[in-house]
Amino acid sequence: DAKTTQPPSMDCAEGRAANLPCNHSTISGNEYVYWYRQIHSQGPQYIIHGLKNNETNEMASLIITEDRKSSTLILPHATLRDTAVYYCIVRPLYTGTASKLTFGTGTRLQVTL
Amino acid sequence: DGGITQSPKYLFRKEGQNVTLSCEQNLNHDAMYWYRQDPGQGLRLIYYSQIVNDFQKGDIAEGYSVSREKKESFPLTVTSAQKNPTAFYLCASSIRGLAGYEQYFGPGTRLTVT
Repeated sequence: DAKTTQPPSMDCAEGRAANLPCNHSTISGNEYVYWYRQIHSQGPQYIIHGLKNNETNEMASLIITEDRKSSTLILPHATLRDTAVYYCIVRPLYTGTASKLTFGTGTRLQVTL
Repeated sequence: DGGITQSPKYLFRKEGQNVTLSCEQNLNHDAMYWYRQDPGQGLRLIYYSQIVNDFQKGDIAEGYSVSREKKESFPLTVTSAQKNPTAFYLCASSIRGLAGYEQYFGPGTRLTVT
């Protein structure tokens, strides 16, 4: 899996949008950008993934730059329950190779009142 | 409800003892995985299984063993040969074992060996 770079920590006020950046300058053409989050002492939770178009689901939006070298995960109205470590991962899709998630240290998002 | 269960949530063992961690899924997923997480670190893959009766070593398989006799079960044994077994262990599953399929995680088992 290609390497990603994320800030170690971020703060966000409750009700505001949380914008979490991720750099993946070595991403290759067949690799997708995935986001997971891990609330303290729980298993990671899948959030969203995308290739080159912006994606939105009920949890978040994913904005990928045109050159695909970076992306931003947006939580539109952060709540205290969104406090977690957020992991950005790039990995190929449907290549026939065995699946493995390579987690870095992620961004610790603290949502405050 | 469909999901992945791991038991127990907390496990304590004496050094030199083998211990088996349970992982069960009722999602009808073909693939299952075991990861290890140390404090402040990301996840590292121990073993994975793409289909029943087959499994492969991950990045840190030494000192661990697995079996996959049933589709819904993938137990992990931490043997006495594992030098630093104290960690948070996470089990996951996906529809298929190929790259790209989302992995769904269980709640984890925190193992402490003294």
